[in-house]
Amino acid sequence: KQEVTQIPAALSVPEGENLVLNCSFTDSAIYNLQWFRQDPGKGLTSLLLIQSSQREQTSGRLNASLDKSSGRSTLYIAASQPGDSATYLCAVRGAKDGSARQLTFGSGTQLTVLP
Amino acid sequence: ETGVTQSPTHLIKTRGQQVTLRCSSQSGHNTVSWYQQALGQGPQFIFQYYREEENGRGNFPPRFSGLQFPNYSSELNVNALELDDSALYLCASAIQGAAQYFGPGTRLTVL
Repeated sequence: KQEVTQIPAALSVPEGENLVLNCSFTDSAIYNLQWFRQDPGKGLTSLLLIQSSQREQTSGRLNASLDKSSGRSTLYIAASQPGDSATYLCAVRGAKDGSARQLTFGSGTQLTVLP
Repeated sequence: ETGVTQSPTHLIKTRGQQVTLRCSSQSGHNTVSWYQQALGQGPQFIFQYYREEENGRGNFPPRFSGLQFPNYSSELNVNALELDDSALYLCASAIQGAAQYFGPGTRLTVL
């Protein structure tokens, strides 16, 4: 059974800092990995999707990397802003029959960027 | 905005009642998935529908059931509500195998 862990659970940084959020997963047989942002009480906004054959994806100030063999992904946020404050979730889609139907999520990292 | 909508936004029910939550998928998407998110946790997969058939299910009891309609809208039904069913319910639509796009969720409170 796939398990996804995100460290740290919470992070508070001053505005302008570069930061890294970590995600690890136990089963390396994945189809893809997705990073999401969730504002309090709201739905999920997809930030980046990395296919299993890819090593990284970039969008603006965000860069996500994937090391499938070691079961790790990182989300790098450059020059953080107060508007980046939210919970960041990573989720993996399995590559095996059955597991491919679902996303398995970590519990998220709650990020606060202080002005 | 993802183009996925959910209704209602909030709902309060009492233990033992039944509830129906609704989702309208993004245009062109043929797959819809439902997730339950308890406070402070990541979403948990309930089930997925593809072309009106359930084709994947997480670790949820049969009192959680669903429907997908020809226009790709979807319903999640929960019977015999329990206090632990209180959560944010999210639906996500996709083209089969591609990235999932989530709706804003329905907050269900069971008293």
